[in-house]
Amino acid sequence: DQQVKQNSPSLSVQEGRISILNCDYTNSMFDYFLWYKKYPAEGPTFLISISSIKDKNEDGRFTVFLNKSAKHLSLHIVPSQPGDSAVYFCAADSRAGNAGNMLTFGGGTRLMVKP
Amino acid sequence: ETGVTQTPRHLVMGMTNKKSLKCEQHLGHNAMYWYKQSAKKPLELMFVYNFKEQTENNSVPSRFSPECPNSSHLFLHLHTLQPEDSALYLCASSPSLNYGYTFGSGTRLTVV
Repeated sequence: DQQVKQNSPSLSVQEGRISILNCDYTNSMFDYFLWYKKYPAEGPTFLISISSIKDKNEDGRFTVFLNKSAKHLSLHIVPSQPGDSAVYFCAADSRAGNAGNMLTFGGGTRLMVKP
Repeated sequence: ETGVTQTPRHLVMGMTNKKSLKCEQHLGHNAMYWYKQSAKKPLELMFVYNFKEQTENNSVPSRFSPECPNSSHLFLHLHTLQPEDSALYLCASSPSLNYGYTFGSGTRLTVV
């Protein structure tokens, strides 16, 4: 059973508009969340993270929102640029838990930003 | 250049072949990981090494055999694979266990 889910396999957005990528999780032990971006033929690269003690973290055009009660987080990209076209992975971690807990990844959402 | 180098980038092998994937990092990281990414599936953790010691084997079939001779190198030895093993195999490293991952570009494996 997938503990981290990205229910939209793909998303298409016009350049300059907002991109919203969603992620849901089921494990209440998760307390740290990360977004990774992956271009074709490259490995995932870290984008932004948020701890469960916060509900928002912003870094330039990227903002991650966390709704703990709904076990939902989202990544907002505004304004979207063609270079943002990539696959975005949501990942969750339990840092207050036992040592050795590993990141759990969602299935990814392919974002396409049209010029 | 991500700091984590994987070779080869592409590999096609028959089901009876033996091959190895290589991962190398000179970031001074102590933990290294193998992940598998199949089409339309989440990244699946396969193996974890911390200070050269295997700390996690995520129920991976024995036809996949990892080796970590030192903290900078990680291998994945492949033997009698199945077509369903075709996937992108990603290596990652981190300074300490499960923190600050850096991924390699992956090896695209096709089993015929």
